[in-house]
Amino acid sequence: AQTVTQSQPEMSVQEAETVTLSCTYDTSESDYYLFWYKQPPSRQMILVIRQEAYKQQNATENRFSVNFQKAAKSFSLKISDSQLGDAAMYFCAFLNYGQNFVFGPGTRLSVLP
Amino acid sequence: DAGVTQSPTHLIKTRGQQVTLRCSPKSGHDTVSWYQQALGQGPQFIFQYYEEEERQRGNFPDRFSGHQFPNYSSELNVNALLLGDSALYLCASSLARLAADGTDTQYFGPGTRLTVL
Repeated sequence: AQTVTQSQPEMSVQEAETVTLSCTYDTSESDYYLFWYKQPPSRQMILVIRQEAYKQQNATENRFSVNFQKAAKSFSLKISDSQLGDAAMYFCAFLNYGQNFVFGPGTRLSVLP
Repeated sequence: DAGVTQSPTHLIKTRGQQVTLRCSPKSGHDTVSWYQQALGQGPQFIFQYYEEEERQRGNFPDRFSGHQFPNYSSELNVNALLLGDSALYLCASSLARLAADGTDTQYFGPGTRLTVL
């Protein structure tokens, strides 16, 4: 069974600074997808970024980028130029073909003005 | 384009009662998945419905059951409620043909907060 670990229960960052959230996962599969979802206090899970395991190039979405290390089974999220609206719970998730999401326990990110 | 909607927003029940939660998928989506998110934890997969049938199931007891209607909307039913069933219940929708080629992305609703007293 796949597992996803997020070793940082809480993180904080100063507004306009950069922060990196860590995620590791365990799987015996070679083809899969990885995601970062954001869950603000409104509870709505919002897709931040996704990465296909077969792609070597790291995904980027505006201020959000990932560092995908397939051999190390590591998938970290970097948020640049942090904004107050980035404050939320961040969940790393693993998706195997034809299966369903396995989520990590989450990291609570605070953004300090 | 309406996203995933869920009702009700909040619900309070007592132990032993039964509850039904509802979900309408994003327009054009045909697959609905249900997740339970306990306080301070990540979502846990309950089951997935496609073509009105349960296609996959996570590690949840038979007290948790579901249904999908011809319009792709779905219900989650929980019988004989326990205190431990208190959680946020999330519905996510997706498109089956994208899942088949690995480009699936699930879109989540705002959730139903269930409190069991």
